[in-house]
Amino acid sequence: DTGVSQDPRHKITKRGQNVTFRCDPISEHNRLYWYRQTLGQGPEFLTYFQNEAQLEKSRLLSDRFSAERPKGSFSTLEIQRTEQGDSAMYLCASSFLAGDEQYFGPGTRLTVT
Amino acid sequence: SQQGEEDPQALSIQEGENATMNCSYKTSINNLQWYRQNSGRGLVHLILIRSNEREKHSGRLRVTLDTSKKSSSLLITASRAADTASYFCATGSGAGSYQLTFGKGTKLSVIP
Repeated sequence: DTGVSQDPRHKITKRGQNVTFRCDPISEHNRLYWYRQTLGQGPEFLTYFQNEAQLEKSRLLSDRFSAERPKGSFSTLEIQRTEQGDSAMYLCASSFLAGDEQYFGPGTRLTVT
Repeated sequence: SQQGEEDPQALSIQEGENATMNCSYKTSINNLQWYRQNSGRGLVHLILIRSNEREKHSGRLRVTLDTSKKSSSLLITASRAADTASYFCATGSGAGSYQLTFGKGTKLSVIP
């Protein structure tokens, strides 16, 4: 069973460095979502793709955050000039249709030192 | 901002008992979903209930939705130690309902 996969699972970086995370959705899902989750909170929506089109990006936390899905399959989330406040779990999810169940990956835990 | 608020924040029960968690939300929704998250792991989808549905069952799970009160409940019957996790409600609203808005979750502990 190929669920949503994310890589890496853990990332430790120094403040000011750039980091990139990858998400591979379930193969027949053309909707892909990124969320961020901090300790003790529920996930917070960041951005959404339908195929390769990024249909919602106003919730990205700052202009240091960007996401791509160049061929409508895997997606990357990049954070430039990381700050300690970026430390969180970054979750990716996919669905077949908007409004359907979203299936989440295991997440990438980012620690900025 | 978080739309849903789960209640209670934490719940501790004995194995075999039923667990009930509640979720309240603020704006109109298209659907409401419940997820489970084991410590430090990804979220597992449990059940989706649409705004025109009042009750839904899946195995030991029963979800109700009252749109007039803007609330939902998740009942887990005959709980097991493996049910120990955090449970989140998430509301989908707007065109396409693509954006899920999560609450802070209920932390359930099932004592063997």
